[in-house]
Amino acid sequence: EVQLVQSGAEVKKPGESLKISCQGSGYSFLAYWIAWVRQVPGKGLEWMGIIFPGDSDTRYSPSFQGQVIISVDRSTNTAFLQWTSLDASDSAIYLCARYRGMNHNHGMDVWGQGTTVTVSS
Amino acid sequence: DIQLTQSPSSVSASIGDIVTVTCRASQSVSQWIAWYQQRPGRAPRLLIYDASSLQSGVPSRFSGRGSGTDFTLTITNLQPEDLATYYCQQGNSFPATFGGGTKVEIQ
Repeated sequence: EVQLVQSGAEVKKPGESLKISCQGSGYSFLAYWIAWVRQVPGKGLEWMGIIFPGDSDTRYSPSFQGQVIISVDRSTNTAFLQWTSLDASDSAIYLCARYRGMNHNHGMDVWGQGTTVTVSS
Repeated sequence: DIQLTQSPSSVSASIGDIVTVTCRASQSVSQWIAWYQQRPGRAPRLLIYDASSLQSGVPSRFSGRGSGTDFTLTITNLQPEDLATYYCQQGNSFPATFGGGTKVEIQ
């Protein structure tokens, strides 16, 4: 079964760092782009950026460039989303998703279950 | 960034009805539009890719059409399980962007 499994919910304080994960299985992880998408509860979907695990080519939305780091560990088929200093405004659900096909034009066909991040003092 | 404007923002319809959602892009995205369904408390699900191609496993009552800047998602014979928010997304250029969503409610 093709799936993406994300790490569990996190509760952090402002200024703390965080790295959440998204592990792929059931397919050739290196061959498909992985995206990160933010969703504030009750709001819409925001595309944050993507990474191609095969060569770590990474693209960020200008809205998130410099705010987060997207990376990958090819040995464990895992993509990561990382913050060095969290802010309360980072509280949201973060979803990873696989792009359909081997480029990033055709939509995202496999989604993780989401990781809820709560940042509060 | 390419802006995607969805309309309506919400719609209420009866079982068996036809529902049409529109997505308008601020500039041409060719055919690179995908449609997603997000049921309450769930991750999004890909319904349509490349504007009109039905994703495997998705019921045929879902259909998409359009090119350039204007796109539609149509749900025929609306079912109770179609209660959800629907999003369009463009994959023509970086950054990818989503529409604001259309909430479909069942009367």
